[in-house]
Amino acid sequence: ILNVEQSPQSLHVQEGDSTNFTCSFPSSNFYALHWYRWETAKSPEALFVMTLNGDEKKKGRISATLNTKEGYSYLYIKGSQPEDSATYLCASFSGGYQKVTFGTGTKLQVIP
Amino acid sequence: GAVVSQHPSRVICKSGTSVKIECRSLDFQATTMFWYRQFPKKSLMLMATSNEGSKATYEQGVEKDKFLINHASLTLSTLTVTSAHPEDSSFYICSARTGLAGPYDTQYFGPGTRLTVL
Repeated sequence: ILNVEQSPQSLHVQEGDSTNFTCSFPSSNFYALHWYRWETAKSPEALFVMTLNGDEKKKGRISATLNTKEGYSYLYIKGSQPEDSATYLCASFSGGYQKVTFGTGTKLQVIP
Repeated sequence: GAVVSQHPSRVICKSGTSVKIECRSLDFQATTMFWYRQFPKKSLMLMATSNEGSKATYEQGVEKDKFLINHASLTLSTLTVTSAHPEDSSFYICSARTGLAGPYDTQYFGPGTRLTVL
C-alpha cells in the first residue's frame, strides 16, 4: 500500500450503537500512526499516537488498535453519541522519519 | 492545554497579491511547526516543516518561493503565499509539536485558513 486509506468514507449510526473504522497504511519503514477527530469549523483534536505492533489505546469510549505487520489500525467507538459526530483522520509516519501521509478520513454521523 | 491558533480564518484576495497566515502556539513552545494544504475532498498534504530559527524543509513539489515560511520564535510561524493566483485557493492548516521525538510526538492543529484568490 503506497497511500493511507480509510474506510468507510462515511457512515451513519444510531445513538447508542458501537462502530469501528479502518486505516490502512504502508507497513514498511513504519514509525507511528496518529488518530485525530475533526469536528466542522474546529481544529483537529489528537486522539492517539500509536507506535508498537499490538498497541491498544483507549480514551473514554474510543479505543484503537494497531497492526504494523499488516499495516492497519482500527478505531472503535462504543455506544456512539451525537457529540461523536466528526471526521476521524489517521496519519501514518512511514517511509521516513518526518514523512507523514494523512488518510481522507471517515465521516461519522450519529443520529439521535 | 496545547492550543494552536491560526489567523485569519478566512481571507479573500485579488490575484497577484500576497497573503500572510499566522500560526501561534498559545500555551506551549513549539519546537517544530508544520504547514498543510487540503484540496477539496482530499487528504491533508504536508507542505513544509519548520524549526524555530532555521529554514523550512519543503516537501517535493512545493515551491519555496511561492510559499514562504518563517518560524521566528518558538510560538509563531507564518506562511506567506506570494503573488497569489486562483489555483492557490485552498484550505491551509498548521500544526505544532513540543517535543523532539519526531513522529512519536503529538501534533496540535490550528483551525485552518480558507484562502480564496479572485
